[in-house]
Amino acid sequence: DAKTTQPNSMESNEEEPVHLPCNHSTISGTDYIHWYRQLPSQGPEYVIHGLTSNVNNRMASLAIAEDRKSSTLILHRATLRDAAVYYCILSPPTDSWGKLQFGAGTQVVVTP
Amino acid sequence: SQTIHQWPATLVQPVGSPLSLECTVEGTSNPNLYWYRQAAGRGLQLLFYSVGIGQISSEVPQNLSASRPQDRQFILSSKKLLLSDSGFYLCAWRWRHSPLHFGNGTRLTVT
Repeated sequence: DAKTTQPNSMESNEEEPVHLPCNHSTISGTDYIHWYRQLPSQGPEYVIHGLTSNVNNRMASLAIAEDRKSSTLILHRATLRDAAVYYCILSPPTDSWGKLQFGAGTQVVVTP
Repeated sequence: SQTIHQWPATLVQPVGSPLSLECTVEGTSNPNLYWYRQAAGRGLQLLFYSVGIGQISSEVPQNLSASRPQDRQFILSSKKLLLSDSGFYLCAWRWRHSPLHFGNGTRLTVT
């Protein structure tokens, strides 16, 4: 399975945007890019996913590079509730979307 | 709307004792069900998944087993717990093209 590389941690001030990078240079043409986040002592929570085009939802935006070798999750205005570990995960088409390989993720710290 | 229930939230068990963790999903039929484990300071690891009643696939050979006696019920079991079974156990579901939805987990400490 294709692997992703994320920074171990990132800091942000409250109400400022957060840009979380993810490198996936070995991504295959059919791999989807998923983002989940995990708040302390809770199960992971789905954030967003995409294939080729940029995606927006109420939680975040996903910007995908033209060559698909990297992507960026954008939290537009960080709140204290956004402090969590964010996971960038690649997965083949839908049948495998439950069998996800979680890495170490990026710990996001939000300071007031 | 769909909800997932996992219990208990925390559990402390001695080595060698049995284990039974239960997960139920409401508001959907024939979901795919999953058990994940997160050891302390590590990432999530898929243990089992099920696409239907009585259908269980194991991803990692270990001291655990899973069963799906009803459409929306998924059970994780062990006959004899080991210290290495300690961790945060998460049940999850998905249906058709939906993303994964996780429960709040059970934190198991084997002493």
